[in-house]
Formats: sequence, structure tokens, C-alpha cells
Amino acid sequence: QTVVTQEPSFSVSPGGTVTLTCGLTSGSVSTNYYPSWYQQTPGQAPRTLIYSTNTRSSGVPDRFSGSILGNKAALTITGAQADDESDYYCAMYMGSGVWVFGGGTKLTVL
Amino acid sequence: QVQLVASGGGVVQPGGSLRLSCAASGFTFNNYGLHWVRQAPGKGLEWVAFIRFDGTLTYYADSVKGRFTISRDNSKNSLYLQMSSLRPEDTAVYFCARHGVAAATYYFDFWGQGTLVTVSS
Repeated sequence: QTVVTQEPSFSVSPGGTVTLTCGLTSGSVSTNYYPSWYQQTPGQAPRTLIYSTNTRSSGVPDRFSGSILGNKAALTITGAQADDESDYYCAMYMGSGVWVFGGGTKLTVL
Repeated sequence: QVQLVASGGGVVQPGGSLRLSCAASGFTFNNYGLHWVRQAPGKGLEWVAFIRFDGTLTYYADSVKGRFTISRDNSKNSLYLQMSSLRPEDTAVYFCARHGVAAATYYFDFWGQGTLVTVSS
């Protein structure tokens, strides 16, 4: 069974740039998996950031961007701010009515 | 504004049943597919189930297939999750989420606050 992988944790300095990635234990990520990204702070519902690889959801600032880097999906945050400190999850559509989330990346801004 | 309000969570014994509800408002309910997604305490998100806008198509994660049933009542703007044969590993906050409406998109475009289900004796 294919598993979606993410870095467990990452840190970035305020104002810096960070790229979080989302891979597969078997094979490469492509746009055909429709990768999407979600931000979640403790005790809150997730917030949708990016869908279909690189489309920003309504109201999401343009310092959040999505792409395919090599064989992984990527979420890049430029000009990191203190309130970007959150958990970030990617999700993939595996086809045949199955969605899979990655394990999440805990981003620290310090 | 778009709202999804989940309810019906609580404490249930292993092997028991529970029915979750999600009340929707602020959008044309019968135009959208809907999902249930859960999050065990301190863990990541896990997709649970999907239902098409008209209720004619459903999908389930292997972990709940045969035990959970997703349904909707478009006349009441409501989504449901009937859970049976519950196990301790089903303990989680359950979120309802709206499916993106644009063609050929496969994502969760809006999330409601969750409801906590605890399976314990």
C-alpha cells in the first residue's frame, strides 16, 4: 500500500523561505494525483491552502505556493510569519475514490 | 458565509454504534460532494468517506469499509455518518469537509469544526 510521506518537522526563520515536500513510498508524485495542502493549528479545523498542485484557495496569500519538485509535491512559504507556525498536511487523490493524507509537517517559525 | 457544523460525538463502548451529523449552511448544499475526515488524538488527518452531491455514489477508506455508512439529506442540508462495530482505534475528532466543486479537482475546499468520538469501555 502506497504511503504519502512528509517531513515530520521543519523550522524557518521569520522572513525566510521554506519548502515542505510530499512524496510517495512507491513512485513519483505528478499532477495526476491532484496534490493539495492544508494548514492546521492545534484545536482548529484545517484550512485549505493549495489544490490541484498549485492553485491557491480563496483568500490564501500569494506567499504560499505549490509545485512539483523532482518526484514530490512541494509547498513553499516565502516571507514566513509567526502565525505560519502550524501543522501542514498534504493530500493526494489516488484514484478510484481514495484520498490519502501525509503524516503532516510541524512547522516552527523561530 | 459557509458553515459546516458537526455534532453527535460522544463516548461509546467498543462494538457500539453512533451517528454523526453535519449541518451545512451558506452554500447550495446539493451542488457539492462531501467528506468525513478524522484525526486521532495527537495524530494526523485520515480520510474516512465521500458522498457525491446527489448521494448516488459513495467511497470509503479500507479502515472503515463495511462498518461506517455515509449518507445525506439534501432537503435538510445535512450530512451523516453512521458508525457501527466501533473500535478503540476509531477514537478521533471527526470533521465534515466540502469537496471542491470545480471539475476535475479532488480536494477538500472547506472544513467544519469537528466532533469528538471516544470508543472506550
